[in-house]
Amino acid sequence: DADVTQTPRNRITKTGKRIMLECSQTKGHDRMYWYRQDPGLGLRLIYYSFDVKDINKGEISDGYSVSRQAQAKFSLSLESAIPNQTALYFCATNGAGGGTGELFFGEGSRLTVL
Amino acid sequence: AQSVTQLGSHVSVSEGALVLLRCNYSSSVPPYLFWYVQYPNQGLQLLLKYTSAATLVKGINGFEAEFKKSETSFHLTKPSAHMSDAAEYFCAVSDYAGGTSYGKLTFGQGTILTVHP
Repeated sequence: DADVTQTPRNRITKTGKRIMLECSQTKGHDRMYWYRQDPGLGLRLIYYSFDVKDINKGEISDGYSVSRQAQAKFSLSLESAIPNQTALYFCATNGAGGGTGELFFGEGSRLTVL
Repeated sequence: AQSVTQLGSHVSVSEGALVLLRCNYSSSVPPYLFWYVQYPNQGLQLLLKYTSAATLVKGINGFEAEFKKSETSFHLTKPSAHMSDAAEYFCAVSDYAGGTSYGKLTFGQGTILTVHP
C-alpha cells in the first residue's frame, strides 16, 4: 500500500460544484502539504499544515480551503470549482518521522472542471 | 524568500549522450536542494538531495548533482542517457531551518527530458 494515498485519483466536475480531495498518510509525518501542478509552471503550494492545529496558506490559496482532521489526514476543498482550477493536485508529507526534509508524494488527483 | 529557476523547459538528447539539466536557486538560509523525477502519469519520485554534506551528490538511476554555492547552482547530470530517462524533472529548494524544522519546498518550473534513439 502507498504511504501517501490520495482520493479520488480522477474527477470531472462542473463549474460551481463543491469538490473535496482527500489525503491520508502512514509515514508518521507531522507536516502535510497540497500542491498544484500545471504544465510549464511546476508545482505551486496551495496550503500546508505543520501539525493538526496549524494551517498555513501557500502562494495560491485563493479559491481553496483545507481541513486537517488528524495527523494522518489532510483534505483540500474547492468550494465553488471554476475551469482554471483544472489541474493535477498532489498531497505530500515530511517532518518528524524520518528523512531529511524531502517531500513524499501521493500519486496525484487529476481534476477537470467543465 | 526562496526560488528556483530551471533553465530550459525542454531538453532533448540522444541515447548514450550526456544529460545536463540546469537549476539555479535563491535562498536566504543555507539551502537543502532536491531533484525529483516524474514519469508519465505518475507522482514525483526523489532522485537525489543535497543536505549540506558532500557537494557532489549521487542519486538513483546513475544521476548526480553538484552543489556550487558560488554559482547558486545545483545542476543534474548523467553521463549516458537511456530511453527510460525520458520524464519531467523538477528542482526544489527547502527553507530548512535546522534540526527537525523541515520546511516547505519551492519547485522550479520543470524540464521535460526527451531521449531519442
